[in-house]
Amino acid sequence: AQSVAQPEDQVNVAEGNPLTVKCTYSVSGNPYLFWYVQYPNRGLQFLLKYITGDNLVKGSYGFEAEFNKSQTSFHLKKPSALVSDSALYFCAVRDRGSSASKIIFGSGTRLSIRP
Amino acid sequence: SAVISQKPSRDICQRGTSLTIQCQVDSQVTMMFWYRQQPGQSLTLIATANQGSEATYESGFVIDKFPISRPNLTFSTLTVSNMSPEDSSIYLCSVVGTSGGPAYEQYFGPGTRLTVT
Repeated sequence: AQSVAQPEDQVNVAEGNPLTVKCTYSVSGNPYLFWYVQYPNRGLQFLLKYITGDNLVKGSYGFEAEFNKSQTSFHLKKPSALVSDSALYFCAVRDRGSSASKIIFGSGTRLSIRP
Repeated sequence: SAVISQKPSRDICQRGTSLTIQCQVDSQVTMMFWYRQQPGQSLTLIATANQGSEATYESGFVIDKFPISRPNLTFSTLTVSNMSPEDSSIYLCSVVGTSGGPAYEQYFGPGTRLTVT
């Protein structure tokens, strides 16, 4: 069975500092991995994905994530946080072994950037 | 990518009534899903909407409570039946497999915010 864990309910970072939002996953096969962001009263927006190739993937708004197969992790990172990055972030996984497999979401991490 | 619209965007309903939410996609898609999200919480998959056949429901969700239709490759409806305050939530439509797009990319509609009084 697929599962995704986001161990931190909330991450607080000062503006200009680097940020990391953690995600670990469990799938039976090889995963597709995703990060989505949700701003207050807004829909879910796609941020970035890992499909194959380089373990470090770059996405929107200066975010990047590193796929670590041995640690089954896909942590979201940004070198310098902005106040506007404050939002709810979801990690998600899908098992690529089945075309009918569903995307499973983590519990979400609320990122708060203080000025 | 896919542009997804949902109607209504929000509604306040009385308990015991039903509400039908519509999801329209601007292109044909392979798969359509319905999710529920409590404010500030994660997304829970309700069901996969199958064209021309009954939806596939996840554990804890049943057809009598959440009937779903998908008459074609661009449209689906979710009905929340006999509502109670516990049904107050955001309901999101999601699609995978847009024409010409990769099969793994999933897109979400803006959501329908439902409040049951």
